[in-house]
Amino acid sequence: GDSVTQMEGPVTLSEEAFLTINCTYTATGYPSLFWYVQYPGEGLQLLLKATKADDKGSNKGFEATYRKETTSFHLEKGSVQVSDSAVYFCALYSGGYNKLIFGAGTRLAVHP
Amino acid sequence: DTGVSQNPRHKITKRGQNVTFRCDPISEHNRLYWYRQTLGQGPEFLTYFQNEAQLEKSRLLSDRFSAERPKGSFSTLEIQRTEQGDSAMYLCASSLGGLGGLLEQYFGPGTRLTVT
Repeated sequence: GDSVTQMEGPVTLSEEAFLTINCTYTATGYPSLFWYVQYPGEGLQLLLKATKADDKGSNKGFEATYRKETTSFHLEKGSVQVSDSAVYFCALYSGGYNKLIFGAGTRLAVHP
Repeated sequence: DTGVSQNPRHKITKRGQNVTFRCDPISEHNRLYWYRQTLGQGPEFLTYFQNEAQLEKSRLLSDRFSAERPKGSFSTLEIQRTEQGDSAMYLCASSLGGLGGLLEQYFGPGTRLTVT
């Protein structure tokens, strides 16, 4: 079945460092891909999305490019802030009813 | 638009008891999803409703679990004879259904269940 694999955390960075969180997927066809973020004590929020190969999703300085050839959707940010500390989930839509399949999540901690 | 709401936010119950959670989706959304999230893992799909019809159920949803969405508005998830393994965060999400477009799912804050 469809699945998502993302790099294990925690990822610990200093403020203004470059961030990459790797995400690869296995799926039939060409699923829509997502990054969700979960801030401490809050619910899941959609961070960005991409619907087809070579699409780049972006939001709040974060970017991810849908790479069909490597089945990847890595999350990047050029300069992280303390407020970016959260758990990040890569996900894809699976099946006719668009249920989300999530990775295990990657915890990011940014220190001043 | 007040977002997706879930009640209660926290529930502590003893093993063997029944519990029921409620989800109120965004008012115009006809699609409703339930997910379960255990500590350190991503959410896992449990079941899906389109309006009042339950169209898909995960194998994770044992016979002790039942979900309803009467009149296609709010939904309830009931767990009978709870077990310690049921301890998790139960998430509800809703979206618009229709042709074309990317149908984003909006998540509620979740109900955290602890079975002692």
